[in-house]
Amino acid sequence: KAGVTQTPRYLIKTRGQQVTLSCSPISGHRSVSWYQQTPGQGLQFLFEYFSETQRNKGNFPGRFSGRQFSNSRSEMNVSTLELGDSALYLCASSLGQGGGYEQYFGPGTRLTVT
Amino acid sequence: GQSLEQPSEVTAVEGAIVQINCTYQTSGFYGLSWYQQHDGGAPTFLSYNALDGLEETGRFSSFLSRSDSYGYLLLQELQMKDSASYFCAALKEQGGKLIFGQGTELSVKP
Repeated sequence: KAGVTQTPRYLIKTRGQQVTLSCSPISGHRSVSWYQQTPGQGLQFLFEYFSETQRNKGNFPGRFSGRQFSNSRSEMNVSTLELGDSALYLCASSLGQGGGYEQYFGPGTRLTVT
Repeated sequence: GQSLEQPSEVTAVEGAIVQINCTYQTSGFYGLSWYQQHDGGAPTFLSYNALDGLEETGRFSSFLSRSDSYGYLLLQELQMKDSASYFCAALKEQGGKLIFGQGTELSVKP
């Protein structure tokens, strides 16, 4: 079974721009969670989608949004990028709603904002 | 609030045993997971404790004490390839989200 894939792997954007990241979960997994990873803050939960609905949300501003499609693929969007948004963005998939204790992570998208 | 505390760095020698502690403070706590992340890689699931006690998976064991809001990951017969970051993560409620600690960077020396 193919693992979780994320595209693109690397991205450089300028302050004020917006960006869309994509995540394809493991086949059969219906839950996709997104995390932001930075050296100072560790892994922080952004949101989780299950059956095309956002089920859980972390403490991030409204500039961070996401969606999930009927095939469980998910996208996250960040608008009006700030320097502090530079991070590794990880998505993780799992079978059940809520993500659960065992999540399968993709390789991440490294976003650099200049 | 919700938080998990773990040491930022641990160093050990090959063949030794190391314990990485995690204390948590979170409402709606359901269980504690552990993940391993090699430099430049994706986090991978290691173990999960929903009940008090020890769970063993090969060289790795994980322990949970709900009354003490405390858990640990025990790595035995350390190998160089075990050098990585280890994260504890609290599962909030069944069907809830994972809240991660800041991670412990383990360095295994020859």
